[in-house]
Amino acid sequence: DGGITQSPKYLFRKEGQNVTLSCEQNLNHDAMYWYRQDPGQGLRLIYYSQIVNDFQKGDIAEGYSVSREKKESFPLTVTSAQKNPTAFYLCASSPGVWANYGYTFGSGTRLTVV
Amino acid sequence: AQSVTQLDSQVPVFEEAPVELRCNYSSSVSVYLFWYVQYPNQGLQLLLKYLSGSTLVKGINGFEAEFNKSQTSFHLRKPSVHISDTAEYFCAAVFGQNFVFGPGTRLSVLP
Repeated sequence: DGGITQSPKYLFRKEGQNVTLSCEQNLNHDAMYWYRQDPGQGLRLIYYSQIVNDFQKGDIAEGYSVSREKKESFPLTVTSAQKNPTAFYLCASSPGVWANYGYTFGSGTRLTVV
Repeated sequence: AQSVTQLDSQVPVFEEAPVELRCNYSSSVSVYLFWYVQYPNQGLQLLLKYLSGSTLVKGINGFEAEFNKSQTSFHLRKPSVHISDTAEYFCAAVFGQNFVFGPGTRLSVLP
C-alpha cells in the first residue's frame, strides 16, 4: 500500500546534538511538508518542498534544516540551534502544492530532549 | 489574515449522542475545506473535504460536514458517536496557495 513512513517513532536527543528525522513516501507525490505539533497549538509549518532540490521555509524554520535530493525522501534535521525541540513532528505529502489536494500524513515522530 | 477558527478546544459527549464540532474560516473568497482526525500518537487522517458542488459532504466513519458560505462555516457532525471517535479533530482550509489548519478540537466520548 502507498503511504508515508516516518522513522523513528520516538527519538531522544541530548542538549546540543543534531538529530535527523526520516520521511519517505511511495505515493509519487511532488510536494512534501514538515509540521511541528505542540499541545494546544495545532500544526505549524516548518519547511515544504514542491519539487526535488527545492524547498521553502515555513512559519517556524529557525533551528531546522531539510534536503530534497530524491522525490521520495524529505528528511528533517533538528539542529542544536533549535531552543525547544521537544514536540511531535509530522511529515505530509500531496500530489501538488496546496490547492485542493489535501495532504497524506505520516504517523509522526515524537522528539524529546533529555 | 487568513485563519481557521475552532472555537471549542474540548468537547465531551456521551456515547450514542450527536455531536457538532464547529469550524469557521476568515475568507469570503473561494476556499477549499477539510476535516482531519488524529488519534493519540498518530498522524492526521482525512475525514472529508469540500471542493465544490453540494454543500453537504459525507466522509468516513459516519461523519458529515456542511459548507455555509454566508456564515463562512464548515461544521462537522455525527448523529451518534462511539467511544472509538475519541480523538483530536482539525479543520483546515486552502486560501489560494496557503494551507491553514485550525487549532484542533479534542472530542472525548464518555461511556
